[in-house]
Amino acid sequence: DTGVSQDPRHKITKRGQNVTFRCDPISEHNRLYWYRQTLGQGPEFLTYFQNEAQLEKSRLLSDRFSAERPKGSFSTLEIQRTEQGDSAMYLCASTAVGTQYFGPGTRLTVL
Amino acid sequence: DQQVKQNSPSLSVQEGRISILNCDYTNSMFDYFLWYKKYPAEGPTFLISISSIKDKNEDGRFTVFLNKSAKHLSLHIVPSQPGDSAVYFCAASGSNTGTASKLTFGTGTRLQVTL
Repeated sequence: DTGVSQDPRHKITKRGQNVTFRCDPISEHNRLYWYRQTLGQGPEFLTYFQNEAQLEKSRLLSDRFSAERPKGSFSTLEIQRTEQGDSAMYLCASTAVGTQYFGPGTRLTVL
Repeated sequence: DQQVKQNSPSLSVQEGRISILNCDYTNSMFDYFLWYKKYPAEGPTFLISISSIKDKNEDGRFTVFLNKSAKHLSLHIVPSQPGDSAVYFCAASGSNTGTASKLTFGTGTRLQVTL
């Protein structure tokens, strides 16, 4: 399977804990995106990498959020001091140009 | 500010008939449009796209129509099948909207295809 993969698929955590998600894009794709989807809404853009450079962050991405793509391959998204409002599906997508292909997402539940 | 709007939250269609899903946008800088299909607990799956230089793109049972003057696009599924039952998202991006290819999504339309 050469699609986008994400790990874990589900994460339940207590408020105040830190969580980290991983995304492995399609291997030849140099662009990687993180989106967040809440109930009843479409995915919303969080941040974007071209190779290892993080080129844009949405204002949705508070200072508790940090993303990395250290070698231009996989990426991690960390949320510090989680809040109940962080509960959502976190989606990763990758592309070389044009169409973005999405991973299965990580469902975060903050209790 | 909802730049991409899907005003019908749900649609029910009989198997074999045509499904028409609609999408409106407000940002004239958008020049590339996509439709994604999403099942519960899965990521969006790409269906079909259209560039603003075209007004129609067809792929099997799926056709997307773009009316730039009305800032409107639609997805036609013919014939509809029970396996098409899912939530459909319209998305848009623009070369002049900042982040390269950042997608702006609508809120989705839940399609149910009945027997």
